[in-house]
Amino acid sequence: GAVVSQHPSRVICKSGTSVKIECRSLDFQATTMFWYRQFPKQSLMLMATSNEGSKATYEQGVEKDKFLINHASLTLSTLTVTSAHPEDSSFYICSARDSTGDNYGYTFGSGTRLTVV
Amino acid sequence: KQEVTQIPAALSVPEGENLVLNCSFTDSAIYNLQWFRQDPGKGLTSLLLIQSSQREQTSGRLNASLDKSSGRSTLYIAASQPGDSATYLCAPRDDYKLSFGAGTTVTVRA
Repeated sequence: GAVVSQHPSRVICKSGTSVKIECRSLDFQATTMFWYRQFPKQSLMLMATSNEGSKATYEQGVEKDKFLINHASLTLSTLTVTSAHPEDSSFYICSARDSTGDNYGYTFGSGTRLTVV
Repeated sequence: KQEVTQIPAALSVPEGENLVLNCSFTDSAIYNLQWFRQDPGKGLTSLLLIQSSQREQTSGRLNASLDKSSGRSTLYIAASQPGDSATYLCAPRDDYKLSFGAGTTVTVRA
């Protein structure tokens, strides 16, 4: 089945630094990937939609200059949290859709726990 | 905007009982609906995918029904086991986006 690999699983960074999270589709091509944020005991909030070769589409209220998304190939999307602050600490999850067919659902990565100290 | 509600928010049952998890959504013009499982601190694992033209989908002990016109889906888990303890999320898909509810957290007691 479709597999999405997300790295790192955990990262601790100092306030003011930047952190990059990678999301890879391992056995399928993904023209579209999605980035979510999840707060404790809450559901997933869609942050942005990442399209291969074009600019990402951000949801209302999400700062595009703070959360930089790059989708340079059909198998890789990255999310960079720039100038991180403690309030950016959260669980970030990516997902991807197999672009070869729409009969398949979405596959999610294992998530990244970001802690900003 | 699609609003998804899952009831109950939490459920605790003894091993062997059947589970019924409810999901309702406000916009019935969906493409399909997925049920996911999330273990603490982990990503989402897809359990079942129901196309908008289908009424139900089964996989092992899991069965999901979909009543698109009334905006409802139900996940049934037969003969629950402690390993079924997790949070279950339903996610209707509009065009290309998934919308999520807050989930139902299930605890199966041995």
